[in-house]
Amino acid sequence: DGGITQSPKYLFRKEGQNVTLSCEQNLNHDAMYWYRQDPGQGLRLIYYSQIVNDFQKGDIAEGYSVSREKKESFPLTVTSAQKNPTAFYLCASSIDLLVGTGGFNEQFFGPGTRLTVL
Amino acid sequence: KNQVEQSPQSLIILEGKNCTLQCNYTVSPFSNLRWYKQDTGRGPVSLTIMTFSENTKSNGRYTATLDADTKQSSLHITASQLSDSASYICVAVNDMRFGAGTRLTVKP
Repeated sequence: DGGITQSPKYLFRKEGQNVTLSCEQNLNHDAMYWYRQDPGQGLRLIYYSQIVNDFQKGDIAEGYSVSREKKESFPLTVTSAQKNPTAFYLCASSIDLLVGTGGFNEQFFGPGTRLTVL
Repeated sequence: KNQVEQSPQSLIILEGKNCTLQCNYTVSPFSNLRWYKQDTGRGPVSLTIMTFSENTKSNGRYTATLDADTKQSSLHITASQLSDSASYICVAVNDMRFGAGTRLTVKP
């Protein structure tokens, strides 16, 4: 899992509640990403950040929000507006941005957080 | 629509046997394609990356191929081990488009 940590590993949320997933990296990477993984589907990009204080929506940003106040941290908030939030969430980082650039640098993933809405 | 499709969805083989996993992509423009291994409940780990100009690349018992004309890639695993049981995912990097993966189970 490289130098990326995610917490908690398991998270339970009641309907109507917001919840924040933590992602920290000590790889000194500029770019960070959040993905959602559902059974039978490929990873889908929620948000990504190229640099501190900058982030962009991915393919499925509705119902999610992020912040990038520090280089090493990229927390994801799952809001009550996300209609089907139960999923496995993966955070990743790379030296520089890969989205739209086709770079060769590797994207390192954290261990993931499994979110379940009760 | 840019897509990455993998086959088969799942595969069961006996320890010591070889297998080949397929990845077809329609992503354009295409720059490179990466293969990942993902253990259950863990994050993916990179196995190899293929550029459009490369045909074959090996990483130990893993050999990836790429045919840019037919837009197909394959991952060949030789002499499988129990620890190879995992999901194998390909991704077209330029678009960050991930396939759904092939779930490989290696049985003793």
